[in-house]
Amino acid sequence: DAGVIQSPRHEVTEMGQEVTLRCKPISGHNSLFWYRQTMMRGLELLIYFNNNVPIDDSGMPEDRFSAKMPNASFSTLKIQPSEPRDSAVYFCASSPGANLGKLFFGSGTQLSVL
Amino acid sequence: QKEVEQNSGPLSVPEGAIASLNCTYSDRGSQSFFWYRQYSGKSPELIMSIYSNGDKEDGRFTAQLNKASQYVSLLIRDSQPSDSATYLCAVPTPYSGGGADGLTFGKGTHLIIQP
Repeated sequence: DAGVIQSPRHEVTEMGQEVTLRCKPISGHNSLFWYRQTMMRGLELLIYFNNNVPIDDSGMPEDRFSAKMPNASFSTLKIQPSEPRDSAVYFCASSPGANLGKLFFGSGTQLSVL
Repeated sequence: QKEVEQNSGPLSVPEGAIASLNCTYSDRGSQSFFWYRQYSGKSPELIMSIYSNGDKEDGRFTAQLNKASQYVSLLIRDSQPSDSATYLCAVPTPYSGGGADGLTFGKGTHLIIQP
């Protein structure tokens, strides 16, 4: 299995631009999570999907952030417009479910907003 | 809101010694606890889980849980330089609909094993 695949690995953009991060979860996993990691705030859960349905988006910082999961094999996290404080590593993770606590993380996207 | 607290470190331990990493959590209702390891520039990976009070051993790793004190720890015996990483403690995040397995993470403890 190829694991969770994220793209791009690195993204450098200017303030005000739209940013789209992509994720392909492990086949057969029912749950998908988007996390953001910074030195100051650690690893923060942004949004969680179960069977392609958004369950909890209370961690999404503001309306500039949106996430979709049109099918079981693809999800996007969009930031529009981007701001320098959005600079972070964004991780996508998937889980087979069943409350196992076993999340499989992708390699992450290092986002820098100038 | 669940909180998970960890000392950020760095925690420096000589090679071959026991490294002790600690974590406290705020929600008494938490039933399961997880330790993830994150190497610099890499993604977190699960190394241990524990559900009952007491100790759980897996190779050189031992997880300890004390629900009364809301305290969970990770011991690494015979520490190796390859154990140098950030260790993240995590508890399940409840959702209104139930049945989720997302996790709330602590900020992690940076462990350095000195050769």
